[in-house]
Amino acid sequence: DTEVTQTPKHLVMGMTNKKSLKCEQHMGHRAMYWYKQKAKKPPELMFVYSYEKLSINESVPSRFSPECPNSSLLNLHLHALQPEDSALYLCASSQVGKREAEQYFGPGTRLTVT
Amino acid sequence: SQQGEEDPQALSIQEGENATMNCSYKTSINNLQWYRQNSGRGLVHLILIRSNEREKHSGRLRVTLDTSKKSSSLLITASRAADTASYFCATVPYYGNNRLAFGKGNQVVVIP
Repeated sequence: DTEVTQTPKHLVMGMTNKKSLKCEQHMGHRAMYWYKQKAKKPPELMFVYSYEKLSINESVPSRFSPECPNSSLLNLHLHALQPEDSALYLCASSQVGKREAEQYFGPGTRLTVT
Repeated sequence: SQQGEEDPQALSIQEGENATMNCSYKTSINNLQWYRQNSGRGLVHLILIRSNEREKHSGRLRVTLDTSKKSSSLLITASRAADTASYFCATVPYYGNNRLAFGKGNQVVVIP
């Protein structure tokens, strides 16, 4: 199974809401990633988890809170977002420690903040 | 930081023609990867070329790498309507962590 799944596919939330994005993979990958992608732009790395520990935080605002409860799951908790946070949020996974490891991406969650 | 950079172009071609897109980068790399993204969807890994390789083929894809010029090209031969997508190059640095640095992307439209 080489699939990364993400839920929900679409999410509309107000600036005072709290919501979570979920990501799951069963490829045994121990590195998982969150990216943010605006229209017609490349993905921007937000967070990297390695062996369920946060290894990279690309200076992301605290209104985004990642969580890796186990080796298959990755969550992104959202709170008090701004309209400019509207974007496609992509999850990815890969093997750890291999510089030639390809990343497997999920289909993304399209987030709209109103 | 966005290291890999493609020429910011949209390419529109007829089905059956070849599509070529380019990528340039700034620092030493371990490898360079190409990904495809269909509209509003996730990215799919296409091909990886190591820094000590000059050319690589995979099906209808041909990738070249010129480390002296810090550039790469992706050629899709005999294009199909299903090749319509955005294509991104991404580099893995020679030193440091394994994070991918994505370039700007090329939008390719294949007209049936």
